[in-house]
Amino acid sequence: TQLLEQSPQFLSIQEGENLTVYCNSSSVFSSLQWYRQEPGEGPVLLVTVVTGGEVKKLKRLTFQFGDARKDSSLHITAAQPGDTGLYLCAGVGTSYDKVIFGPGTSLSVIP
Amino acid sequence: ETGVTQTPRHLVMGMTNKKSLKCEQHLGHNAMYWYKQSAKKPLELMFVYNFKEQTENNSVPSRFSPECPNSSHLFLHLHTLQPEDSALYLCASSQLQGADLNGYTFGSGTRLTVV
Repeated sequence: TQLLEQSPQFLSIQEGENLTVYCNSSSVFSSLQWYRQEPGEGPVLLVTVVTGGEVKKLKRLTFQFGDARKDSSLHITAAQPGDTGLYLCAGVGTSYDKVIFGPGTSLSVIP
Repeated sequence: ETGVTQTPRHLVMGMTNKKSLKCEQHLGHNAMYWYKQSAKKPLELMFVYNFKEQTENNSVPSRFSPECPNSSHLFLHLHTLQPEDSALYLCASSQLQGADLNGYTFGSGTRLTVV
């Protein structure tokens, strides 16, 4: 069974600080997606990374897919209160028919 | 209306009630999903429909009954639920089942409380 772990589980930081959250697995994925879920809403896709070692940037957010396609990280520079939410990673299995979600990292950015 | 719409947003029901959750998408997607989101647990996939046909049932108790009359609508019929079924129920859609690089489009969810 493929499992995804995310760390830390909870993170509370001051506005303007930098942070990194991690998504790890012992399994290889064909691609990996990051979603952000704000309170009272459904998850919204931020990015999909496909190639091992790939780095994608979305404004202040930097996503990296591990070389072996088993892990990923999300780095936020100069966090803003609007970044508050639950960050979920989701791995797409190598047979392309399963999407596995991690438990999420709950981020709170304090003004 | 665009995106994935779920109704109702909130639902409180007794254990002997029967209710239905509705999900609607106008994105032209062919796959639709029901997920359960409980506190401190990963999203749990419940059901998958691809081109209106159910392709996955993740060992969900029979008190949850899905229905997909067409590619745009998905229902989850609820009856004789238990308090532990209280959770956020999310509907999602995608162009293709599973590995769609565009990811899933989720609705805002139905917050269900069973009393």
